[in-house]
Amino acid sequence: SAVISQKPSRDICQRGTSLTIQCQVDSQVTMMFWYRQQPGQSLTLIATANQGSEATYESGFVIDKFPISRPNLTFSTLTVSNMSPEDSSIYLCSVEIGSSYEQYFGPGTRLTVT
Amino acid sequence: AQSVAQPEDQVNVAEGNPLTVKCTYSVSGNPYLFWYVQYPNRGLQFLLKYITGDNLVKGSYGFEAEFNKSQTSFHLKKPSALVSDSALYFCAVRDVIGNEKLTFGTGTRLTIIP
Repeated sequence: SAVISQKPSRDICQRGTSLTIQCQVDSQVTMMFWYRQQPGQSLTLIATANQGSEATYESGFVIDKFPISRPNLTFSTLTVSNMSPEDSSIYLCSVEIGSSYEQYFGPGTRLTVT
Repeated sequence: AQSVAQPEDQVNVAEGNPLTVKCTYSVSGNPYLFWYVQYPNRGLQFLLKYITGDNLVKGSYGFEAEFNKSQTSFHLKKPSALVSDSALYFCAVRDVIGNEKLTFGTGTRLTIIP
């Protein structure tokens, strides 16, 4: 398994501003993922972030809105840009450990946009 | 395309009784299947997985799941429910061929009644 931390744990932001969420892992991992989850609902994959390459975005998510950085094997950031109330959600990062196919999740960042 | 269905939004079980949380899937090739649990205000925790081999897989907290290829199902089970099992459960699938993307079901809220 892996220990994953996210910062901030929660934030309240004004519409039109941007927020950068950090994800830190206690071991080196190749594959990291960013998800969005409405409270009590399912997870939607935003993008896959592999170190050394550009992030791969899922349908409905674009780099201008959700830029991602992956500077090394233990760290990634997701920025939610030009926020609107519709961006209010929980944002989760996850990592896949080796060839286990298991994904381990961070505690999430609860974002409220007013 | 891959998809997961969890037909029950809510399952209520009396403490001590056996529990089943249902999951069916659809993939183009062979599936990798997973169960995750989410306790209130916490991130997702990995419970168990089916990759290959024995159709009955055992996981954390006494849970098990049975892979049934003909019925394309992967139901989660536990012989005797505990009140502490009350949580939100997600089934997820990944196609063996092609991508690393996990697709999650809509979740089933399990409530164990004392």
